[in-house]
Amino acid sequence: AQKVTQAQTEISVVEKEDVTLDCVYETRDTTYYLFWYKQPPSGELVFLIRRNSFDEQNEISGRYSWNFQKSTSSFNFTITASQVVDSAVYFCALKGGGNTDKLIFGTGTRLQVFP
Amino acid sequence: EPEVTQTPSHQVTQMGQEVILRCVPISNHLYFYWYRQILGQKVEFLVSFYNNEISEKSEIFDDQFSVERPDGSNFTLKIRSTKLEDSAMYFCASSERGYSNQPQHFGDGTRLSIL
Repeated sequence: AQKVTQAQTEISVVEKEDVTLDCVYETRDTTYYLFWYKQPPSGELVFLIRRNSFDEQNEISGRYSWNFQKSTSSFNFTITASQVVDSAVYFCALKGGGNTDKLIFGTGTRLQVFP
Repeated sequence: EPEVTQTPSHQVTQMGQEVILRCVPISNHLYFYWYRQILGQKVEFLVSFYNNEISEKSEIFDDQFSVERPDGSNFTLKIRSTKLEDSAMYFCASSERGYSNQPQHFGDGTRLSIL
């Protein structure tokens, strides 16, 4: 069975702090894809990043960085120097590599950044 | 940037009534999806659609649900006889390709409230 666990239900930080959102996944597929989405208070789901299972290169995009570790089945997301606009629910999602397009979402982590 | 658009943003319906949720996917995308998110919970896959056929559906997507692409631009989700537990945010998504690392791009959602 495929599963995504986001153990942190809610994180609160003060602006300019760094924060890491954890994501642990389970799958038996050898090829799979991982995604992060952001859901701001307005409710839409915004795609942030994808990662293929065969590409363990970590990525940095501005204040965002992602750490994919296949050995621990984790795909963590770090925001450096957080800002109030980063306040949102962040979802990690998994898609298997077979004949499926189903995204399996974690339960999300609500990040609150206070000024 | 092209985006997925959903209408209406909020739909209030009496239990037992039929409801149709509408979506216009990104124009060059070929794969379409519906997901739902019950308030405060994770996002759940309902159905995927390609080449005018359902390619995959979840156990949530029972006989009360149907999808259609009535013309070249719209993609609709119909719930035949709504129940209280159908109250949720419904998200439409589309992707350029399926069965790959192509991200699914989501609309802003339709909040469905069943009275």
